Amino acid sequence: NAGVTQTPKFQVLKTGQSMTLQCAQDMNHNSMYWYRQDPGMGLRLIYYSASEGTTDKGEVPNGYNVSRLNKREFSLRLESAAPSQTSVYFCASSEIRDSYGYTFGSGTRLTVV
Amino acid sequence: DAKTTQPTSMDCAEGRAANLPCNHSTISGNEYVYWYRQIHSQGPQYIIHGLKNNETNEMASLIITEDRKSSTLILPHATLRDTAVYYCIVRPGSNYKLTFGKGTLLTVNP
Repeated sequence: NAGVTQTPKFQVLKTGQSMTLQCAQDMNHNSMYWYRQDPGMGLRLIYYSASEGTTDKGEVPNGYNVSRLNKREFSLRLESAAPSQTSVYFCASSEIRDSYGYTFGSGTRLTVV
Repeated sequence: DAKTTQPTSMDCAEGRAANLPCNHSTISGNEYVYWYRQIHSQGPQYIIHGLKNNETNEMASLIITEDRKSSTLILPHATLRDTAVYYCIVRPGSNYKLTFGKGTLLTVNP
């Protein structure tokens, strides 16, 4: 099983450009999440989707939008990238009542210049 | 969710047991204790979780005090590959969101 797959793995954007980070999971999980991690910091929740058809803001949602395309896919969009959005972005999935916790993807390293 | 307190860093000799403490003195009765780790540049990895009883799996053991105000993650025979940041998280079983702190950087030395 692939688990949680994120694309792209690396990206460089110019300030003001837009892009979409893709995330797909093959574990039939109901819940999916987007986190960002800045150097020396813990992970901060951007948006999450408790189940297909729902999305909610997390701790740091400003500057981002999300789409839960279907049960498998949860995308994160930056409409107008800013240098402050330079970070590593992690997608994760879980069951609503999970026994094994989250499964994380390998991350997307985004640099905004 | 209850707040956790962990040491910023710890060292351990290869082959020895690594004992990582976590304080969660404000934990509620329905909150579980979860441990994750993050090896450099990778996504976090689930290790173990528990509610009241001590738990053990192939990766680690989790010891929760009787009053549930603190816990210890034990890696019985640490290897160099166990060098990582370890996160202790508490959350209700009905709440699917995880809130990460800064964790403990465990360095396993040869």
